[in-house]
Amino acid sequence: DAGITQSPRHKVTETGTPVTLRCHQTENHRYMYWYRQDPGHGLRLIHYSYGVKDTDKGEVSDGYSVSRSKTEDFLLTLESATSSQTSVYFCAISEIRRQGDYGYTFGSGTRLTVV
Amino acid sequence: EDKVVQSPLSLVVHEGDTVTLNCSYEVTNFRSLLWYKQEKKAPTFLFMLTSSGIEKKSGRLSSILDKKELFSILNITATQTGDSAIYLCAVEALITGANSKLTFGKGITLSVRP
Repeated sequence: DAGITQSPRHKVTETGTPVTLRCHQTENHRYMYWYRQDPGHGLRLIHYSYGVKDTDKGEVSDGYSVSRSKTEDFLLTLESATSSQTSVYFCAISEIRRQGDYGYTFGSGTRLTVV
Repeated sequence: EDKVVQSPLSLVVHEGDTVTLNCSYEVTNFRSLLWYKQEKKAPTFLFMLTSSGIEKKSGRLSSILDKKELFSILNITATQTGDSAIYLCAVEALITGANSKLTFGKGITLSVRP
């Protein structure tokens, strides 16, 4: 178990408001990722982090910012929420599973609705 | 731009059938290909493939990668209703140094009827 917790699990917010989603991990993983999942699009990478204060953009980063001030927390902020950002957001970490093998593990997701 | 295409997009079978799910890709700096199963919540890891021609198996599921033709297949034999899910294929690409990222296909929705 990679010990990933996402909060909140569900959120409804109004258009134009800022929203912050939190991903918390307990096992000191270096790499963390934020994805969104929408019907017909699969999972798309928003931002990722490869260490404290080290972040970079993914393929759908517009309208999102991230911060990682400590190893265990990776925050995703919607600066001014829009209806197009209604989605399910997943946090992920990459971890070594067995010798020479590794994988990505996902949190349980946050369902965000922007009205 | 990295690209992952899964086919078919949806599939309905009966219990006991064998299914083959396809994933083709175009990616720069390929590192691995991963398969996930997604039911109602988060995707759960099935396989990671890095080498061509080496089959990975887990119970009734198996997968193989062809790095020359740039595709992978996921086979499920003797399907059960519990296999009903979305199956996601993702390709990992190196960015810089040890940094990598996943690009996902749109997923294949498998429905297994009793």
